[in-house]
Amino acid sequence: EAGVTQFPSHSVIEKGQTVTLRCDPISGHDNLYWYRRVMGKEIKFLLHFVKESKQDESGMPNNRFLAERTGGTYSTLKVQPAELEDSGVYFCASSIRTSGRAGSYEQYFGPGTRLTVT
Amino acid sequence: AQSVTQPDIHITVSEGASLELRCNYSYGATPYLFWYVQSPGQGLQLLLKYFSGDTLVQGIKGFEAEFKRSQSSFNLRKPSVHWSDAAEYFCAVGAIGGRRALTFGSGTRLQVQP
Repeated sequence: EAGVTQFPSHSVIEKGQTVTLRCDPISGHDNLYWYRRVMGKEIKFLLHFVKESKQDESGMPNNRFLAERTGGTYSTLKVQPAELEDSGVYFCASSIRTSGRAGSYEQYFGPGTRLTVT
Repeated sequence: AQSVTQPDIHITVSEGASLELRCNYSYGATPYLFWYVQSPGQGLQLLLKYFSGDTLVQGIKGFEAEFKRSQSSFNLRKPSVHWSDAAEYFCAVGAIGGRRALTFGSGTRLQVQP
């Protein structure tokens, strides 16, 4: 079974440019999450999709970040325009959606996209 | 709001020695608890999880963790460390019945000496 995949693995852009990150969750996982780790600090939650709907976007830092999940499959995270403080590693994770509560908390992470804004 | 503290930023142990990584959480009730590992150049891999029941949980790669409610702790242990265990380890909590977002500690980087 394929794991969570993310593309690209590394992106270097200039301040003011636009970058789009992509995440493909594990097949059959309705829950999809985005997290970010900035400058060696803790990994912080950005948002949570259930299928194509945004369930929780309380962690999105500002309106320069736009996340979508087309047809409840893959997801994209666009940063426009990028700022220096957006540099970091962006992780995507997915989990199953079950009638019980515990299983949906067991999140499987992708390798991350390292974003460098210069 | 829940929080997770990993007091050790960096730990160095000798190969074959035992290991204990500390994790303390702050939450109004018993949360779901996780340990993840990130090896160099890799993503986060789930080592083990605690949802309920037996407070000593076994994970992959020979790791185990013990949930102690009275101490709000979920420390990770391994009896004999291998060089391949060198990585960064993250403790995380999830709020039962609430948001699915995990709250992570700041991580502990493990270095293994030959």
